[in-house]
Amino acid sequence: GENVEQHPSTLSVQEGDSAVIKCTYSDSASNYFPWYKQELGKRPQLIIDIRSNVGEKKDQRIAVTLNKTAKHFSLHITETQPEDSAVYFCAAKGKGGGADGLTFGKGTHLIIQP
Amino acid sequence: DGGITQSPKYLFRKEGQNVTLSCEQNLNHDAMYWYRQDPGQGLRLIYYSQIVNDFQKGDIAEGYSVSREKKESFPLTVTSAQKNPTAFYLCASTRDRGNQPQHFGDGTRLSIL
Repeated sequence: GENVEQHPSTLSVQEGDSAVIKCTYSDSASNYFPWYKQELGKRPQLIIDIRSNVGEKKDQRIAVTLNKTAKHFSLHITETQPEDSAVYFCAAKGKGGGADGLTFGKGTHLIIQP
Repeated sequence: DGGITQSPKYLFRKEGQNVTLSCEQNLNHDAMYWYRQDPGQGLRLIYYSQIVNDFQKGDIAEGYSVSREKKESFPLTVTSAQKNPTAFYLCASTRDRGNQPQHFGDGTRLSIL
């Protein structure tokens, strides 16, 4: 089945700086890659997603890049703000192992230092 | 207001007891999912259902059971066979089985007494 690795597990950046979180996936058939933000004790919320027919997508301060050949995708947050502090999860959707849901990375705890 | 409702928010299970977590959606979505989240871990898929009266095992289905008798409801039972049930359980749905964002409920936190 699909396996998603996410790095780093913790990322601390100064307010206003950029943050980059990287994920790799194993199933070359995966074709949908969402990113979720989760605040403590709350539901994950979709912040951006990308499909395998594009290499980059941007939404204001957030961008995602996808390299299908290398099987990795990254989340970029520019001009970070205190409210960006949360746990971020990448995920991949494929058809490996018979499961048709998302396979998630283990998360990155993003800390924005004032 | 459309969305996914999970209940209860907190649940306690006694040794040898089965407990059922509720998940209801009014989004008219065909597909529904159950995930388990442990501290420091990502979400892991327990069961999913693409359509009424049909469901499939995910990656960690042992010790759990589900039903999908109605489109809007996808309850999860944590059976006594699940020896380590303490976790945060999240229900999600998508319009259909295509590549679309999953909408999550607020979760149920299950603990052992």
